[in-house]
Amino acid sequence: EPEVTQTPSHQVTQMGQEVILRCVPISNHLYFYWYRQILGQKVEFLVSFYNNEISEKSEIFDDQFSVERPDGSNFTLKIRSTKLEDSAMYFCASEGVFTDTQYFGPGTRLTVL
Amino acid sequence: GQQVMQIPQYQHVQEGEDFTTYCNSSTTLSNIQWYKQRPGGHPVFLIQLVKSGEVKKQKRLTFQFGEAKKNSSLHITATQTTDVGTYFCAGRRRSGAGSYQLTFGKGTKLSVIP
Repeated sequence: EPEVTQTPSHQVTQMGQEVILRCVPISNHLYFYWYRQILGQKVEFLVSFYNNEISEKSEIFDDQFSVERPDGSNFTLKIRSTKLEDSAMYFCASEGVFTDTQYFGPGTRLTVL
Repeated sequence: GQQVMQIPQYQHVQEGEDFTTYCNSSTTLSNIQWYKQRPGGHPVFLIQLVKSGEVKKQKRLTFQFGEAKKNSSLHITATQTTDVGTYFCAGRRRSGAGSYQLTFGKGTKLSVIP
């Protein structure tokens, strides 16, 4: 069964450093999402992406965040200058056409020291 | 913005007992989805409810969508240790250009005592 993959599984970085989280969505899907989950809290929407542009972003997704689909398979989330409060699990999700289901990847745990 | 509230936050049950989690939205939902997240895992889609008053069943799980489409519930009959995890409801709404945004509740963490 196709699945969303994410790398790395765990990223540790120093405050102020840039990080890039990578996702490979399911191959025929067209809608892509990033969510985050701070430890013990609910899953929060960050951004949706379709047709090579952002469809919507939340207030969390400020100027420090950016997304990119550099080729036909990868979908990346970049945080330019990480803050302590960016520490969370980041989930990528993808959705196909004519389906109501978002498939979540296993997540990348980001730890900012 | 849309807010989705979920209760209880935690539930401990003896194996074999029933379990229910409730979800309420501040606004009318076009549809609602339920996800399960095992400890250390990622959200896994369980079901979507669309119609007012809709009831769907998956084996021991029963999902309901309220008549006003502002509340929903998940009921598990005769819990098993494999039911352990956090159950999230999520309101789904269009977020532009055909994509959809999920607004998650805080989840109910279910513990099952063998």
